[in-house]
Amino acid sequence: AQKVTQAQTEISVVEKEDVTLDCVYETRDTTYYLFWYKQPPSGELVFLIRRNSFDEQNEISGRYSWNFQKSTSSFNFTITASQVVDSAVYFCALSEGGQGAQKLVFGQGTRLTINP
Amino acid sequence: KAGVTQTPRYLIKTRGQQVTLSCSPISGHRSVSWYQQTPGQGLQFLFEYFSETQRNKGNFPGRFSGRQFSNSRSEMNVSTLELGDSALYLCASSMGSVVYEQYFGPGTRLTVT
Repeated sequence: AQKVTQAQTEISVVEKEDVTLDCVYETRDTTYYLFWYKQPPSGELVFLIRRNSFDEQNEISGRYSWNFQKSTSSFNFTITASQVVDSAVYFCALSEGGQGAQKLVFGQGTRLTINP
Repeated sequence: KAGVTQTPRYLIKTRGQQVTLSCSPISGHRSVSWYQQTPGQGLQFLFEYFSETQRNKGNFPGRFSGRQFSNSRSEMNVSTLELGDSALYLCASSMGSVVYEQYFGPGTRLTVT
């Protein structure tokens, strides 16, 4: 069975600090997809990134970066120079390949609070 | 391009009643998925529709059902509501091919009393 674990339930940092959100996944599929979503207080899940199992390149988008390591089944998310607007709940998710790809399995989420 | 829209945004129902929630996907998207979010269970997949056919289903009782219309709009229905059905119901749409990300709507907050 697929499983996503976000061990950090809550993180609180001061603005401008760097923060890393951990995500560990379990799957028996060789083809799978990993995602990060942000859920601000408004409740709508905002898509941040998608990564497939064959692409282990790390990605950087502005202050956001993602580190995908198949050897440790991890897909960690780092925010550099955090800002108050980054405060939200962040979810890591996994989906299998094929027609099951639309079925996302989510982690429990990490509530990130950036204090001014 | 307009995002995913869900109606109604808030709903209060009584135990035993039934409810229908609606979702309009992003134009051009053919897949619609539904998720339930509760504080205890987190985000859980309900089902996915593609071209008016249910393609995937989560582990929810038969009281939860859905359908998709030819214009890709989707509805989900919950019959015989229970207190535990109180949740945020999120709809997501995607292109429909297996490799695309899902875009979520604002959700419908259902409260069962």
